[in-house]
Amino acid sequence: SQQGEEDPQALSIQEGENATMNCSYKTSINNLQWYRQNSGRGLVHLILIRSNEREKHSGRLRVTLDTSKKSSSLLITASRAADTASYFCATDAWDNNAGNMLTFGGGTRLMVKP
Amino acid sequence: SQTIHQWPATLVQPVGSPLSLECTVEGTSNPNLYWYRQAAGRGLQLLFYSVGIGQISSEVPQNLSASRPQDRQFILSSKKLLLSDSGFYLCAWSKGRWGASMYFGPGTRLTVL
Repeated sequence: SQQGEEDPQALSIQEGENATMNCSYKTSINNLQWYRQNSGRGLVHLILIRSNEREKHSGRLRVTLDTSKKSSSLLITASRAADTASYFCATDAWDNNAGNMLTFGGGTRLMVKP
Repeated sequence: SQTIHQWPATLVQPVGSPLSLECTVEGTSNPNLYWYRQAAGRGLQLLFYSVGIGQISSEVPQNLSASRPQDRQFILSSKKLLLSDSGFYLCAWSKGRWGASMYFGPGTRLTVL
C-alpha cells in the first residue's frame, strides 16, 4: 500500500504561474523526499526534508513539512514548460533487513503550458 | 560518479514467453537494489529488493522472480509472461542509510500481447 498520497492527481497551469502539489502520509517519518519523473524516464531526486525541518528551498523549489498534519507540499515558482513532469513524494521507514526503505505516493502529473 | 543502466529500453513479448530484464550499477559498491513496476499514469509498486548478492526479498507474490548474481547486477525474470505483466519497469539503487536518496535507471517499457 502507498504511504504517501499526492494531491491533486493532475495539475495544468500556464507558464510563469506557481504550481503547488501536496502529499499526505499515514505513519511517522524521519525524512520525506520529492522526486520528479519525465514521461517515459526514471525518477530523479529533487529534495529531502527532515522531520525536524519545516521548510526547505532549492532554486525554484520550496518544500514544507507539517508533521502534526502528516503532510508536505512542493511549490514550484515561476513554472516553465520544462517543469512538465510527474512529481512523487516518498516517505521512509526503517527495515531491519533492508535499512532505509522508501514508499512512493501515486504522483501528481503537472503540465505547464507555454 | 554513479550510473545505473537498464536494458532493453523497450520490449514486446507474447503471452507465455519468458522474460529477462537486466540492471547494472556503476560507481558504487554493495548497494541496495530494487525493482519497481509502474502502470501507465500511476505510482510505483515495489516488486523486489536486494541487500546483497543472492539475497532477494519479494514484496508482491506473482509470476516474476529476481536474482542478484553479482554485487551490482540485478535481474528480473519470468518463465511465462501474463498480459498483466505489461508496464514500465524501473531498477533503482540506494545505500540504505537514513535519508539516503534513491537513484533510478531509465526504465524498460514492457508490452505483453
